[in-house]
Amino acid sequence: AQSVTQLDSHVSVSEGTPVLLRCNYSSSYSPSLFWYVQHPNKGLQLLLKYTSAATLVKGINGFEAEFKKSETSFHLTKPSAHMSDAAEYFCVVSGSRGNTPLVFGKGTRLSVIA
Amino acid sequence: GAGVSQSPSNKVTEKGKDVELRCDPISGHTALYWYRQSLGQGLEFLIYFQGNSAPDKSGLPSDRFSAERTGGSVSTLTIQRTQQEDSAVYLCASSLGWGARTYNEQFFGPGTRLTVL
Repeated sequence: AQSVTQLDSHVSVSEGTPVLLRCNYSSSYSPSLFWYVQHPNKGLQLLLKYTSAATLVKGINGFEAEFKKSETSFHLTKPSAHMSDAAEYFCVVSGSRGNTPLVFGKGTRLSVIA
Repeated sequence: GAGVSQSPSNKVTEKGKDVELRCDPISGHTALYWYRQSLGQGLEFLIYFQGNSAPDKSGLPSDRFSAERTGGSVSTLTIQRTQQEDSAVYLCASSLGWGARTYNEQFFGPGTRLTVL
């Protein structure tokens, strides 16, 4: 079975400071990993994905994540937070190929303080 | 060039009534998924359709839940005899099927917020 654990339910940062949202995964085979963002009253949007190519993945809006197999981690980072980054972020795992259902973490709510 | 659409956007019903939720996937996407987002449980997979294959129903929480996908396109999720614990946002997603260059990327609709009184 596959699972993801988001280590923080809520992260608060000041505008202009770095963002780190932590995620650990468990998978019996090579996984595909994703980060999705959900702004209030909006749909889920894909930020970035890892599908066994480069381990450092760049996404939209300046976010990136690094796949570390030895640590089973896929942490999301951004060098400088913006007010518009305030949202709920989900770390997600699925099978390595094909179209399989996604398994979501519980989510991390990011607050950005002016 | 529309994305995934869902209707209605909001549904309020009384306990014991049946409800139908509709999903229109992105044209050409052969895979369609239903998920549920609730306060206590987070985001959970419900059911998955891939082309003409039998659907994967492993996430359905009870036999009151069922889903159909007609003509490989539109899907309807039906909840019979609704209970208060069914209150949640029901999300639909679609993706390209096997063999496509971009696989596994699922595009989500805006969801249907279901409230059972």
